[in-house]
Amino acid sequence: GAVVSQHPSRVICKSGTSVKIECRSLDFQATTMFWYRQFPKQSLMLMATSNEGSKATYEQGVEKDKFLINHASLTLSTLTVTSAHPEDSSFYICSAFRGSGNTIYFGEGSWLTVV
Amino acid sequence: AQSVTQLGSHVSVSEGALVLLRCNYSSSVPPYLFWYVQYPNQGLQLLLKYTTGATLVKGINGFEAEFKKSETSFHLTKPSAHMSDAAEYFCAVSDSGNTPLVFGKGTRLSVIA
Repeated sequence: GAVVSQHPSRVICKSGTSVKIECRSLDFQATTMFWYRQFPKQSLMLMATSNEGSKATYEQGVEKDKFLINHASLTLSTLTVTSAHPEDSSFYICSAFRGSGNTIYFGEGSWLTVV
Repeated sequence: AQSVTQLGSHVSVSEGALVLLRCNYSSSVPPYLFWYVQYPNQGLQLLLKYTTGATLVKGINGFEAEFKKSETSFHLTKPSAHMSDAAEYFCAVSDSGNTPLVFGKGTRLSVIA
């Protein structure tokens, strides 16, 4: 079964509103989680590295004030898309590092559609 | 900085034929290498990965890949394609278990009956 869970799997929101996506590690603690974005028919691009208890590290070109990342616990990281616009419509997927086993697990992804 | 090049954005094979998806990487440190498959409108599924040890890695669904350091390659193969193999395949690299993956642009595999 899944060891990293994302919620919601699909969300539609109106332009100008904010939407939160959750990424949970189900049976392990993850001090580090990663957020990626995938536009249709394109590859996955790293948006940011989420570190528990500290500020996220954003990749160049990713607006930190628009894509708010919070990693308040060892099992939960959230990505909030603020003031969403249609161009933010994308597939957002997180991954979490499991120290025991030295493995990265991906969530199932979240489809965001902004109308 | 690491990077991944997947040669061929689209590969088409006949059912039962050999599948070969090419991946070359660039890394300044010994790489961790991955192949993922993505079916339409779904998330990523790990096919196989190489970290250390045996350079020929066997994965799920009959896929395997060989790490060739001298060629900086990690090509994915399957002896006999099945219709259900039609999907998007991504090669990825990282420099350790705790660093983000860098993905290639992906290769779409079509299987013709």
